[in-house]
Amino acid sequence: GAVVSQHPSRVICKSGTSVKIECRSLDFQATTMFWYRQFPKQSLMLMATSNEGSKATYEQGVEKDKFLINHASLTLSTLTVTSAHPEDSSFYICSASRTGYTNYGYTFGSGTRLTVV
Amino acid sequence: GQNIDQPTEMTATEGAIVQINCTYQTSGFNGLFWYQQHAGEAPTFLSYNVLDGLEEKGRFSSFLSRSKGYSYLLLKELQMKDSASYLCAVRGPGGGNKLTFGTGTQLKVEL
Repeated sequence: GAVVSQHPSRVICKSGTSVKIECRSLDFQATTMFWYRQFPKQSLMLMATSNEGSKATYEQGVEKDKFLINHASLTLSTLTVTSAHPEDSSFYICSASRTGYTNYGYTFGSGTRLTVV
Repeated sequence: GQNIDQPTEMTATEGAIVQINCTYQTSGFNGLFWYQQHAGEAPTFLSYNVLDGLEEKGRFSSFLSRSKGYSYLLLKELQMKDSASYLCAVRGPGGGNKLTFGTGTQLKVEL
């Protein structure tokens, strides 16, 4: 079945540093990747949508210069949280989209718990 | 814009039936999904509705009424492991592939 590998699963970083999160589709080509953020006891909030080879589309209120998204290939998308601050501490999840497959085309990564200290 | 509402919390007894409601007001509609999510894990796909009516899959059923902007997830023969968060998500608008998630319902199953 379709698998999206997301790394790291947990990361602790110091305030002011940058953190890169990778999502890799292992057995299919992810034409579109969605990046979500989830705060404790809240739902998933869409941050941005990225299509391979083009610039990401950010949701309203999400700073594109702070959350850098790269989707350079059909199997890899990365989210870089730049100059992280404690308020960026959250659970980040990617979801790869493709048509005509199981789960109606959405495969989620296992998530990354980011803690900024 | 997108507005998707669910009850925040529900409690039910093991072996019972529970219905989790979801109402939505969206600028476009191209299908509704239900996901289960345990704390600290990724969401797991449960069901998909794009036409009105009931979709049944084992202990889980999902219903959709597009005219009312309403869906529910029905869980039968509840088990302790069903304690989780249940997320309703709408795909759209238009032909877009974007999923917008509801507020989520935390279900607690008790003995």
